Parts: sequence; C-alpha cells; structure tokens
Amino acid sequence: GIQVEQSPPDLILQEGANSTLRCNFSDSVNNLQWFHQNPWGQLINLFYIPSGTKQNGRLSATTVATERYSLLYISSSQTTDSGVYFCAVRSYNTDKLIFGTGTRLQVFP
Amino acid sequence: DTGVSQNPRHKITKRGQNVTFRCDPISEHNRLYWYRQTLGQGPEFLTYFQNEAQLEKSRLLSDRFSAERPKGSFSTLEIQRTEQGDSAMYLCASNLGEGSYGYTFGSGTRLTVV
Repeated sequence: GIQVEQSPPDLILQEGANSTLRCNFSDSVNNLQWFHQNPWGQLINLFYIPSGTKQNGRLSATTVATERYSLLYISSSQTTDSGVYFCAVRSYNTDKLIFGTGTRLQVFP
Repeated sequence: DTGVSQNPRHKITKRGQNVTFRCDPISEHNRLYWYRQTLGQGPEFLTYFQNEAQLEKSRLLSDRFSAERPKGSFSTLEIQRTEQGDSAMYLCASNLGEGSYGYTFGSGTRLTVV
C-alpha cells in the first residue's frame, strides 16, 4: 500500500518563528489533506490540496503531485498552533485516507 | 448538523469486557469511516460504510471487532473481550460519498482497558 512519511517528527519553535512541514508519499494520489490534531484529539482539516498552492491566513500549503510531496508552511507561529500535524492521502484504487505519522509542533512564548 | 458526533468521549473498561461506541455522521454524508489511533501514531483505517453497506475492512479489524450501520445513519463499533492492546482513540469520519474530497472527523472515543 501507499506509504506516507512526514518530517520532521518533532519541532520546537519560539512564538513568531516560521516553519515548514513536509509530507512525502510513495504513489499517485487523488486526495491529500493536512490536519491539525489539538490536545483534545480533534482532527481539524486545514487544507484539501491534491495539487497546487493554497493559503489560509498564516498557513499555506503546496503539493507537487508529480514529485509526490506536499509542504505545509506556518508563519508567525503562535502557541495555539501547538499540536500534531498530519498529512493524509488517498490513492486512486481506494476510498480511505492513509495518514502519516505526524509532526509534533510545540510553540513556546 | 454541527459535525460528526461520537459517544462516549471516554471509556474505561476491564479486560475481557465488551464495549460499544457510537458515531453520528453529518446527516447528508453517505460514507462513514472508523479509524484507530494509538499514542504517538497517526490514525489507522479500520473500516468504512456506504450507507448501510460495509465496503472495506482492514486486517486490523480482528474477529473481536464488529461495526454496523443498520439504517445508513449512525454507526456502532463493538469490541468483544477487550484486551489491553485495544486501548486507543477510536475516530469516526464521514463524507458525501465516492470521490468526495472532504473528510470530517469526530472528536473520538478514548478507550482505556485496565
């Protein structure tokens, strides 16, 4: 099955810093989503981005489907950005999302 | 609808007991998914339904696990003879159907088997 790898596994930032999270996947996909999991376990959808670039406030994401990777950019980080960020993909022969192992982000004041 | 609802939020049970979780998807969503997440890992797919039909089951779903969606609305996930290794967060998600892009997740049920 498709493999999804995320890096770095852990990231510690001071408030105001910028960061880039990466997601690599091993096969063609027709769906890619970035999620933020808050301390209570809720998965919040950030972006649906199988290709191209999107921006939402301080967050933006870029997926280069031909090279099988996606990047999530967080600018001017805030303590509320802390949590685990997951990339999840869906390949063409299935309807289920496959998740990466996540990047744990801690933002300190 | 305000989202996907899961109950209970937390469940502590003794090893060997049976437990049942419930998921209420967004009302117009035809597809419903169950995932399991253990500490430090990403969610792992268990099974999914199109209306009342169970379309796919993961090998993670042992014969102690059963999921139903009898009327194509809410779903239940039952674990029989619980083991300590079943301790995890059980997440439910829904979407509009085949080819749909958005998956909305519930807050999960955290199971602790003691």
